[in-house]
Amino acid sequence: ETGVTQTPRHLVMGMTNKKSLKCEQHLGHNAMYWYKQSAKKPLELMFVYNFKEQTENNSVPSRFSPECPNSSHLFLHLHTLQPEDSALYLCASSQDREEQFFGPGTRLTVL
Amino acid sequence: AQRVTQPEKLLSVFKGAPVELKCNYSYSGSPELFWYVQYSRQRLQLLLRHISRESIKGFTADLNKGETSFHLKKPFAQEEDSAMYYCALVIPPPGAGSYQLTFGKGTKLSVIP
Repeated sequence: ETGVTQTPRHLVMGMTNKKSLKCEQHLGHNAMYWYKQSAKKPLELMFVYNFKEQTENNSVPSRFSPECPNSSHLFLHLHTLQPEDSALYLCASSQDREEQFFGPGTRLTVL
Repeated sequence: AQRVTQPEKLLSVFKGAPVELKCNYSYSGSPELFWYVQYSRQRLQLLLRHISRESIKGFTADLNKGETSFHLKKPFAQEEDSAMYYCALVIPPPGAGSYQLTFGKGTKLSVIP
């Protein structure tokens, strides 16, 4: 598959569960991003990785834990989430400061 | 901190009518501005960026530093233009590497046949 892929596309979890979101980019880019899209807020940047190094963490709670094992894969590990964390989580990638390409997103519901 | 404001949550126009989606930003320096679009059941994608000065799908946007605006315009709306439009801003970091996009809340454009 080409472009940016995300799995799963939908996830329902309880507040005590641990789950992970996966993002993979097939574009040879060197930067990857996690965004959160809530119903009532603008799209918010959560984490940025550049050449596998985390360069930004926009005051995201520690119950969200990113992992970037290589420049093609990005994970978001989730544990003890709250219902207000329910949102669409988008992954994106770019080559330096060129256009960011977005994945389809994972729709997360926390019960 | 920088901010992007899109004052209209929803904009409805008739097919063939002109369209203007408003975007204002707050930043004292020289940011880079973008418009992203999300069509129904499709992923978010770049529509245009001000530094390229292109017209994409008939849309143009001019950066007005005096008014700190980057409004998106199209002279004649088409039904296929119906989508969510997001204005975004980047403060250029020094050197190469990744960058942070700050998005507005988005405007839903509905073109009425």
